[in-house]
Amino acid sequence: DAKTTQPTSMDCAEGRAANLPCNHSTISGNEYVYWYRQIHSQGPQYIIHGLKNNETNEMASLIITEDRKSSTLILPHATLRDTAVYYCIVRDTNAGKSTFGDGTTLTVKP
Amino acid sequence: DTAVSQTPKYLVTQMGNDKSIKCEQNLGHDTMYWYKQDSKKFLKIMFSYNNKELIINETVPNRFSPKSPDKAHLNLHINSLELGDSAVYFCASSQEPVGAEAFFGQGTRLTVV
Repeated sequence: DAKTTQPTSMDCAEGRAANLPCNHSTISGNEYVYWYRQIHSQGPQYIIHGLKNNETNEMASLIITEDRKSSTLILPHATLRDTAVYYCIVRDTNAGKSTFGDGTTLTVKP
Repeated sequence: DTAVSQTPKYLVTQMGNDKSIKCEQNLGHDTMYWYKQDSKKFLKIMFSYNNKELIINETVPNRFSPKSPDKAHLNLHINSLELGDSAVYFCASSQEPVGAEAFFGQGTRLTVV
C-alpha cells in the first residue's frame, strides 16, 4: 500500500467546513483512497472512498487531484461530534487489508 | 443489532496467562481482521481471514493464534501474555477482497500487569 502523509493536527470552528488534506504521491493506478475516523475510545468508522472522481455522501466529500497524488476530505459543516482522528488510507481493493498511518487529529471548537 | 461485536470490552490479566478475545459479525461479510492499537494510537493489522482461511499474518508472534470457526467469527487467543501485549485490539469485517469499507468493533482494552 502507498504511504500517506497527513498533518498531525488541525482545528476547525463549529459550523465551518473542515478540509483535511492527504498526500499520497506514490499511489498506483489500482489503489483507492479511503478515509476513516476514530472518535475517542471507539472503533474506526468508515467515511468515504474514491478512485479518480470526486465523491460525496451524507458524511463528507472527497476531492482527489487529477494526478491522484493528493486528496482532501471535506466535512461541510463541522460539529463538535466530528472531533476525532482522521485517517487517510491508500489501498488496493484486492490487498485485503487497510494500513493506517498516524492520521490527523481534528478538533472542532465552539 | 451491533454489526461487529467483541467480548470482553476490558481485560486485565497477569503476565504469563492465556486469554481469548471473541469477535462476531452479523453483516454476512467474508473477511474478518484483527488490529492492534498501541499506546501511541498507531493502528496495525495483525491477521486477516477470508472465508475461514488465513490470508494475512503480519509478523505477529506465534503466541497469538487466531481461530475462525465460521466466517461470522474470528477469535484471538493469546498465550503467555507479556507486558508489551497491553493495547486495544480491534476486530473488523468487510466484504473483501472486492468490497469497500471495513466495519470495526468497539475494541477490547487488554492490560497485562
